[in-house]
Amino acid sequence: QQQVKQSPQSLIVQKGGISIINCAYENTAFDYFPWYQQFPGKGPALLIAIRPDVSEKKEGRFTISFNKSAKQFSLHIMDSQPGDSATYFCAASKGDQKVTFGTGTKLQVIP
Amino acid sequence: GAGVSQSPSNKVTEKGKDVELRCDPISGHTALYWYRQRLGQGLEFLIYFQGNSAPDKSGLPSDRFSAERTGESVSTLTIQRTQQEDSAVYLCASSSRIHTEAFFGQGTRLTVV
Repeated sequence: QQQVKQSPQSLIVQKGGISIINCAYENTAFDYFPWYQQFPGKGPALLIAIRPDVSEKKEGRFTISFNKSAKQFSLHIMDSQPGDSATYFCAASKGDQKVTFGTGTKLQVIP
Repeated sequence: GAGVSQSPSNKVTEKGKDVELRCDPISGHTALYWYRQRLGQGLEFLIYFQGNSAPDKSGLPSDRFSAERTGESVSTLTIQRTQQEDSAVYLCASSSRIHTEAFFGQGTRLTVV
């Protein structure tokens, strides 16, 4: 029940296209859903996060869409750029429980 | 400190030796996490600390792995009798309150030969 399932495992997108990464969770008590971005040789860094009281959050080219009833949330990267090439992790947590990460999506944006 | 600091950044060890990996979290952060990341893979949860106690050790893969945290600050992950399958990047993260941003260190790349 603590799992967060992430898809796809890898994604290739043309420059200027939209990258979409999906996550699904089981634990309805989760109340914080961050996305992390990891470049090779670096630790993951917070990209954007959402709480379940909103259905969408946008920061620049990055948007989280949240569907509470379906227990799903997704990351959309608009106008994808080669510099966005990285591994993206979704995550979920609740209260004083540990953060549970998805398995990661390796995104490659080709010129 | 300015960020989460991990040491060493790289460690090559012989199979069967013990290793200690250190994490210095951001000052004042009460939650501390250890993760393992194999090459090209996702984050594998190992253990998390709330203060000096470890409410969840469920991710430790075997009894060769142990971790401690003292003074609500530095944490040490110890791997005894290392095996080649222990080769991975070990990441530490800390946060100021549970379910706010977790800040990651650069990781320790462990290679067991």
